[in-house]
Amino acid sequence: GEDVEQSLFLSVREGDSSVINCTYTDSSSTYLYWYKQEPGAGLQLLTYIFSNMDMKQDQRLTVLLNKKDKHLSLRIADTQTGDSAIYFCAGRSGNTGKLIFGQGTTLQVKP
Amino acid sequence: ETGVTQTPRHLVMGMTNKKSLKCEQHLGHNAMYWYKQSAKKPLELMFVYNFKEQTENNSVPSRFSPECPNSSHLFLHLHTLQPEDSALYLCASSPAGGGANEQFFGPGTRLTVL
Repeated sequence: GEDVEQSLFLSVREGDSSVINCTYTDSSSTYLYWYKQEPGAGLQLLTYIFSNMDMKQDQRLTVLLNKKDKHLSLRIADTQTGDSAIYFCAGRSGNTGKLIFGQGTTLQVKP
Repeated sequence: ETGVTQTPRHLVMGMTNKKSLKCEQHLGHNAMYWYKQSAKKPLELMFVYNFKEQTENNSVPSRFSPECPNSSHLFLHLHTLQPEDSALYLCASSPAGGGANEQFFGPGTRLTVL
């Protein structure tokens, strides 16, 4: 079945760029998503990318997709303390339509 | 605010209790989901409903019983739970069918089973 892997922790300084990486195994994944979870809250959809795209930019967020290597990344420019949260990568299986989530990357932003 | 609400936000129950979690979405979606989020584990899909019909049961124990009376409401009935069932239970909704099918999540119910 689908497997989605993320590194567990990333620490950056305020104002720097953050890059959160994700790898997935299901080559039939049609859409890939990034969600953000703040403490005590549910998951908030940040952005998604269709599998035939290489890049998507939305304000401070840039998503890069390398379909050959099954690698997805989320870059946050000018990272702020309010960006501190857990970031989840998810892939939507082209076969089942189900979302498969990674275990989440905790982003710590230091002032 | 994502348009998906969940009540209660926190619940403490004994193993012999019966309780229910409620989810409501105001987005006009036709698919609703229950997920379980435990510490240090990926999000686990439990149930999926499309147009009020259950289309997915991800091998969930029968002590969890979902109910979807209409496309806007989803319940999770709990009985004789175990301490390992303590987790954050998240509800989500999405438009049914193809496309990006973005799922919008509620804030979750933090469940503690004593």
